[in-house]
Amino acid sequence: KQEVTQIPAALSVPEGENLVLNCSFTDSAIYNLQWFRQDPGKGLTSLLLIQSSQREQTSGRLNASLDKSSGRSTLYIAASQPGDSATYLCAVSGSQSNQAGTALIFGKGTTLSVSS
Amino acid sequence: DTEVTQTPKHLVMGMTNKKSLKCEQHMGHRAMYWYKQKAKKPPELMFVYSYEKLSINESVPSRFSPECPNSSLLNLHLHALQPEDSALYLCASSQKAAGQTDTQYFGPGTRLTVL
Repeated sequence: KQEVTQIPAALSVPEGENLVLNCSFTDSAIYNLQWFRQDPGKGLTSLLLIQSSQREQTSGRLNASLDKSSGRSTLYIAASQPGDSATYLCAVSGSQSNQAGTALIFGKGTTLSVSS
Repeated sequence: DTEVTQTPKHLVMGMTNKKSLKCEQHMGHRAMYWYKQKAKKPPELMFVYSYEKLSINESVPSRFSPECPNSSLLNLHLHALQPEDSALYLCASSQKAAGQTDTQYFGPGTRLTVL
C-alpha cells in the first residue's frame, strides 16, 4: 500500500529565506506527483505536477524535483513571502496496485509560516 | 478557466436529514472525484467518476451516495449521517479519464457539520 510522508510537519521562517519541503513515498511505481497548497479551511490549489518521466518542474519561485527510484520529491520555495504561509501537500497518483491509476494519495502536509 | 465550484460552502444537518452536495466544472474534464478531509488530516478519496460512470468507490458507507447526472455535474447525496462524518468535502476534476493521470483541480469544498 502506498504511503506518503512529508517532513517537516511544520516550518517557520523569516521572510526572504529559501526553503525546501520534503516528500517521500514507499511505492516508486507512480504515474505522477503533484504539489498542492491549502489555506486554512479552503480547498486545494495545484502548484506543480511532475510526470513520472520528468525530473523537475518550475513555476515562478517554486521548483519541484522528483527522484522516482528513491521515492523522493522536494519543493523548493525561493525568497519566501508571508503570502506563502499555508499547508503544502504532496500527492502521488496511482501505482501498480491501483486499478485505475487515478487516485491521489496524500501526505499529511507541511504547514509553513513565513514571518515579515 | 480552471474553476471547480461547490455548493453549499457550509452545511449543518441532523442525523435524520437528507441533503446533497453539488460540484460543477465547465472545463470539459472527463473525470470527477469526491474527497473527504478531516481536520488536520490529508484528503482521502471517496469516489471517482470517469465518463460519467462510477469507476472507484473506496469502500464508502452507503449513507453517501454519489451521482453524476452529466459530464459537468457531480452530486453527493447524504442520508442518515453520523457526527463523525463532519468534515470538509472536496470535489476535483481532471481532463483525462481514469487511468490516464493528469492534474487534478479542486473546488473550495463544502464544510459539513453533522449534529
